[in-house]
Amino acid sequence: KQEVTQIPAALSVPEGENLVLNCSFTDSAIYNLQWFRQDPGKGLTSLLLIQSSQREQTSGRLNASLDKSSGRSTLYIAASQPGDSATYLCAVMVGGKLIFGQGTELSVKP
Amino acid sequence: NAGVTQTPKFQVLKTGQSMTLQCAQDMNHEYMSWYRQDPGMGLRLIHYSVGAGITDQGEVPNGYNVSRSTTEDFPLRLLSAAPSQTSVYFCASSYAAGQRTGNTIYFGEGSWLTVV
Repeated sequence: KQEVTQIPAALSVPEGENLVLNCSFTDSAIYNLQWFRQDPGKGLTSLLLIQSSQREQTSGRLNASLDKSSGRSTLYIAASQPGDSATYLCAVMVGGKLIFGQGTELSVKP
Repeated sequence: NAGVTQTPKFQVLKTGQSMTLQCAQDMNHEYMSWYRQDPGMGLRLIHYSVGAGITDQGEVPNGYNVSRSTTEDFPLRLLSAAPSQTSVYFCASSYAAGQRTGNTIYFGEGSWLTVV
């Protein structure tokens, strides 16, 4: 059974810091991996999608990497801002099912 | 283009009542799914559909029923509500899933359900 784990569960950093969020999964037979952002009381917004054949994706200050062989993905956020404060979730697509980690709650202090 | 629309946003039910959470998308997406989000449990897949007339169970299907008569709509029915079904429910859609990769998934804003 596929399990997705995110570490840390919560993170508080001062504005301007570069930071890394971690995601691990137990079964490497995935179609893709996605990183999402969720603001309080809101739905999820897709940030980056990495196909199983890719190693990384970049969008602005965000960079996500994927290492299928080790079952790991990282989300790198450069020069963090208070507006980045949210919960970040990773999810893997396996056979039509999207399996989520429990998320990392990020707080960026001004 | 409204994206994924869920109704109602908030609902209080009594134990044993039935209700339907509505989900509609206007992006001509084949794949639609329902998740519930609970504290400490993350998002868990309830049911999903890869096209009109096709549905399948996710991780936590018991107590829920779905149908997919059109591409646009994917309603979730609670047959006899229980307090354990108190949760936030999210509907999601994408162009396809699994076989065709690289498809972003779009989520609705959520439906907050309380069963008393």
